[in-house]
Amino acid sequence: QVQLEQSGAEVRKPGASVKLSCTASGYTFSAYYIHWVRQAPGHGLEWMGIINPSRGDTYYTQKFQDRLTMTRDTSTSTVYMELSNLRSDDTAIFFCARATPVDAARLDSWGQGTLVTVSS
Amino acid sequence: QSVLTQPPSVSAAPLQTVTISCSGSGPKIADYSISWYQQIPGTAPKLLIYDNNKRPSGIPDRFSASKSGTSATLAITGLQTGDEADYYCGTWDISLRVGLFGGGTKVTVL
Repeated sequence: QVQLEQSGAEVRKPGASVKLSCTASGYTFSAYYIHWVRQAPGHGLEWMGIINPSRGDTYYTQKFQDRLTMTRDTSTSTVYMELSNLRSDDTAIFFCARATPVDAARLDSWGQGTLVTVSS
Repeated sequence: QSVLTQPPSVSAAPLQTVTISCSGSGPKIADYSISWYQQIPGTAPKLLIYDNNKRPSGIPDRFSASKSGTSATLAITGLQTGDEADYYCGTWDISLRVGLFGGGTKVTVL
């Protein structure tokens, strides 16, 4: 079955970076985009960016443009999301989710989420 | 940039029907497909509706949705206590290549 397995919780100090992983299984890795979505405590879903695992091209929301990097490793079917220059308001759960290129709004399978805590 | 607006909360008694609106701003929202997600607290979101009104396999037909112009609506009929969750609409802005979510609507079963 389709599965997106995310890496474990992280704690960072302000100004540091964090790199999260999302490993896909149960489907052809290159055939689906991967989105990253953030959810701060008590808040709604916030779209961050998307990567095409086939070609590696990425699109980020303007808010994270200068701090966000998404990459992929096709040999391990893994997508990485790195957020730099962390602030306390970056404390959130980060989800990866896949979507078909035909309908990029259709996020049909989600990872379990990774909690990132930013605290001095 | 486009925005999707949802009411913060809706409520109804068991077996009743609730509707959640999702209103889009921006010139091209009318051309984009809307998805709906259910998020039970402490869990990942789950796809309920895609392409405005289609249900993935396994989603009960108590969940239905429609779209007209720049507004979309999710309806939950035969409300159950297990439907208590946050519901989000979402879309993909093809021209800007960015994703959008509404602010979310909390459904409470009275």
